[in-house]
Amino acid sequence: NAGVMQNPRHLVRRRGQEARLRCSPMKGHSHVYWYRQLPEEGLKFMVYLQKENIIDESGMPKERFSAEFPKEGPSILRIQQVVRGDSAAYFCASSPWPGTYEQFFGPGTRLTVL
Amino acid sequence: DQQVKQNSPSLSVQEGRISILNCDYTNSMFDYFLWYKKYPAEGPTFLISISSIKDKNEDGRFTVFLNKSAKHLSLHIVPSQPGDSAVYFCAASGGMQGKSTFGDGTTLTVKP
Repeated sequence: NAGVMQNPRHLVRRRGQEARLRCSPMKGHSHVYWYRQLPEEGLKFMVYLQKENIIDESGMPKERFSAEFPKEGPSILRIQQVVRGDSAAYFCASSPWPGTYEQFFGPGTRLTVL
Repeated sequence: DQQVKQNSPSLSVQEGRISILNCDYTNSMFDYFLWYKKYPAEGPTFLISISSIKDKNEDGRFTVFLNKSAKHLSLHIVPSQPGDSAVYFCAASGGMQGKSTFGDGTTLTVKP
């Protein structure tokens, strides 16, 4: 019974490059949430997606960040033209249906921007 | 404006004693509250939750108390065990979308 999977676990990028973070939710879960954790801080909500739809992106920076959850395949969080301030741990969580507050988290992707 | 606050960054207790972790919130629209536990290099793991229609929820060694008038909740762990040493996040949710607002976490250390 695989849990939420994220890859890569660690990602190093130079300033200006693109970062792609992948998340496969738990089997049977069609709701995906992305959170970002900066050092010494809590998790900050970024975006909530269902299959093929963005439901809430109120926590996403207006520029350079995008997310998708296609009908087939994992959810992708894309960061274009990365800057040092993007260095953080990015966590994906999934839930089986809307209004379910308990979320199952993946192990996270630690992004380091040089 | 931080809507969920955990004012104690760290807490140290002796094995076998009670651990009390506190959390305050400001948004009256929150109606569901959760505690997550996080070990280094892992994602958070759901621990226990409480709906705003209750003031207490218990699960084994873990009990969460909610004081709506004070907009305060607490997590009690008794007896504390060394394996409980982790970062504990308080989270609050409201509405149908399920997204959570997290506090900054409290690092609990249980000494043998």
